[in-house]
Amino acid sequence: GENVEQHPSTLSVQEGDSAVIKCTYSDSASNYFPWYKQELGKRPQLIIDIRSNVGEKKDQRIAVTLNKTAKHFSLHITETQPEDSAVYFCAAPSGGSYIPTFGRGTSLIVHP
Amino acid sequence: NAGVTQTPKFQVLKTGQSMTLQCAQDMNHEYMSWYRQDPGMGLRLIHYSVGAGITDQGEVPNGYNVSRSTTEDFPLRLLSAAPSQTSVYFCASSYSTSLDHTEAFFGQGTRLTVV
Repeated sequence: GENVEQHPSTLSVQEGDSAVIKCTYSDSASNYFPWYKQELGKRPQLIIDIRSNVGEKKDQRIAVTLNKTAKHFSLHITETQPEDSAVYFCAAPSGGSYIPTFGRGTSLIVHP
Repeated sequence: NAGVTQTPKFQVLKTGQSMTLQCAQDMNHEYMSWYRQDPGMGLRLIHYSVGAGITDQGEVPNGYNVSRSTTEDFPLRLLSAAPSQTSVYFCASSYSTSLDHTEAFFGQGTRLTVV
């Protein structure tokens, strides 16, 4: 099955700084890479995703990059704000199924 | 359209008790799954289903059973609760299209404590 590694486990930044979270995956057949944000006490929700036919995707202050050769993808948040504080999860499909395998999560703390 | 509905939101069990966590979705999604979330461990897959009548084990299936008699419902049964099953449980659903994968939609979660 798929193995997804996520780093760092905790990331502390000052408001206005950029934040980068990195994930690696093991299954070279994987072709869909979503990122989820989970605020305290809430359910995870999709914030951005990327498919293997593109290398980068942006949505306002967040972007995701994908390197299929190296089997890693990253989440970039620019101009961080306190409301970006949350746990972020990357994911990749489990084997040939449509069920995602998640990384262990990154707790992002943005200090005002 | 309620999305994914999970009940109960909180539950306390005694060791050895059994219970069922309910999950229902009204989006006609074929894929449904159960995860448990523990500090520092992320979301670990317990069981999943790719359609009515089809279920399979995930990463941490021991102590749990599932069934999928309808497209809408995917209950998770704890057979004999143990303190190690204290966790937050999430049900999720998703679907596939000609573009392949799509996002997972999560229920609100169930915080289970086994004493």
